[in-house]
Amino acid sequence: DSGVTQTPKHLITATGQRVTLRCSPRSGDLSVYWYQQSLDQGLQFLIQYYNGEERAKGNILERFSAQQFPDLHSELNLSSLELGDSALYFCASSETGPRETQYFGPGTRLLVL
Amino acid sequence: AQKITQTQPGMFVQEKEAVTLDCTYDTSDQSYGLFWYKQPSSGEMIFLIYQGSYDEQNATEGRYSLNFQKARKSANLVISASQLGDSAMYFCAMREHLNQAGTALIFGKGTTLSVSS
Repeated sequence: DSGVTQTPKHLITATGQRVTLRCSPRSGDLSVYWYQQSLDQGLQFLIQYYNGEERAKGNILERFSAQQFPDLHSELNLSSLELGDSALYFCASSETGPRETQYFGPGTRLLVL
Repeated sequence: AQKITQTQPGMFVQEKEAVTLDCTYDTSDQSYGLFWYKQPSSGEMIFLIYQGSYDEQNATEGRYSLNFQKARKSANLVISASQLGDSAMYFCAMREHLNQAGTALIFGKGTTLSVSS
């Protein structure tokens, strides 16, 4: 158990819908990262937040948005869903320091039908 | 741009044997971090081991060790005394600095390890 929690574990929805994925980082970690894992794209970085502020953006679509709240939990919002958005979405958190090892949550498996 | 290459799509090993999973990287940074993660069939990503570019010793964590060859830009994972539970996908990753404050991990495509009895 990494200490990072994600809900829900599974999500099935239809094209055009909007969903929200939730993540709670490890106690004390200020950084939260979101990644998407799909068969064709592999593991791709989406976005990083640090103590409530956006720090870095990766290959995140405009239909996707995220935020980190004062209690440090984070939400990833996916809207106007397409079939190709079906993937495993991971949240990770890291400590501040030279290593910044990222510990991953169990992931949310999204299926868009 | 930084890049991680894992050239072995699949590896097979017998229980109790050692196995090496290859990883090469490309970066122009002087300071960087390399990571290995394990992803079992259940899907979670489990952190295994870290190597910093300035670390003089190769990293070790229990049965995992990292064969770090800086000049060759390789960071191979060595698993000693393989166990059936080691069957999983293994990812090599490097921390990338995206701007002054942001970081992210870039991942290789992974290697599937199968351990047989």
